[in-house]
Order: sequence, then structure tokens, then C-alpha cells
Amino acid sequence: DTAVSQTPKYLVTQMGNDKSIKCEQNLGHDTMYWYKQDSKKFLKIMFSYNNKELIINETVPNRFSPKSPDKAHLNLHINSLELGDSAVYFCASSPGKDTQYFGPGTRLTVL
Amino acid sequence: GENVEQHPSTLSVQEGDSAVIKCTYSDSASNYFPWYKQELGKGPQLIIDIRSNVGEKKDQRIAVTLNKTAKHFSLHITETQPEDSAVYFCAASPSGTYKYIFGTGTRLKVLA
Repeated sequence: DTAVSQTPKYLVTQMGNDKSIKCEQNLGHDTMYWYKQDSKKFLKIMFSYNNKELIINETVPNRFSPKSPDKAHLNLHINSLELGDSAVYFCASSPGKDTQYFGPGTRLTVL
Repeated sequence: GENVEQHPSTLSVQEGDSAVIKCTYSDSASNYFPWYKQELGKGPQLIIDIRSNVGEKKDQRIAVTLNKTAKHFSLHITETQPEDSAVYFCAASPSGTYKYIFGTGTRLKVLA
């Protein structure tokens, strides 16, 4: 009964490829997020959706495209992967403007 | 712009001692301050939070204090145990927004 789940847990791919990471939450929350954690552990917000609408879009290359098919899912698609995209990506969800609950993370390695 | 400074970046304490981690935020409109613990290979887990209308909150061995005037907030862990070893993050959330601004993290090591 995992609250926020992500797939895959590990993703290793070549530069130039396109890949997707999926996130699902079973908490009934309205808001979902994507964060990037770099090798120095800095956690930075990338996107947020509230009721399937984009509400936060930080300065992220447009190779990154989030998609929310419904309130419980927020996927992240990355085109033309670059070495600098290597990081751990976390999904989170919250009941509105309140406490955020994080998933276990997806470690992306671009070779 | 919005910024949260966190100190120290690493902290080693003997088992049973106390640990204190401090954060300073820049946006005076921030009104919610959560603390997260991240163990190796896992996602951040909320351990305690405080809102701007409260000066202190305690949950067993963990406490958080907030000084709105100075824009400081701190995490206090008493009677530390080896399982407290992890990276701890503070965050500040401006009022009316969905956004968290995270601190840079503190790696806590509790030595047995």
C-alpha cells in the first residue's frame, strides 16, 4: 500500500535517447510534483500539477515534459537525454498547499 | 530571490548526545517549515513541521523552533541513536503557494 510510487527505480540509458518516468499516488491528493536531486543532494522543484493543471514550471529545459493523465498520476518525459540529466528524480504529492509526501526516487544515469 | 541556508553541512555526534541543525530563510512571506529525513537510497520523509503561528513544536526526541523575526528555524534531536544517521533537509514554503524552497541538507552521523 505504497503512498507515492515511481517506476522505474533505476534507469540507465545513452545520450540522445528519450525516456519516461512514471509516478502514482494513492493518497487522494490534488497536487503532484517533480523534483531533481543532483549529486550534491540539492533538491530542486521542476514542475507541479494541481488537478491535472500545471501550476509550477521552473526554469527547466523544454526537453522535459510533464504529463498528468489524472489526479493520481504525473509522468515525466525527457527527450534527447544529456549527461547533465543524470540525477535522482523524486515525485511528491500533497493535499493542496500543505505537506508534501515523496516517492522513493528514480536514479537516472545517462552514459 | 527565495533562498534557504542550512548549517552545518555535516555533523557528527556521539550516540546519546544532542544534534542541532539551523536554517535561515529569506522570504518573510514563508509560513510553513517542514523538516525531512532522507536515508540512503530513499526518498525524503517528513519528520516534523511547524507553522508560522507557533514558536516551538516537539515530537518525542525531535523538536523544532521558529524565530520569525530573525527568519531562523532549527531542528533539535535529543538522545541521538545510530538510526538517526541520515541527511536532513529543512524547507520553507511561502504563504499561499505550493512551492517548497529546500535547504542544502545536513549529513548527520551518530557514532556508536
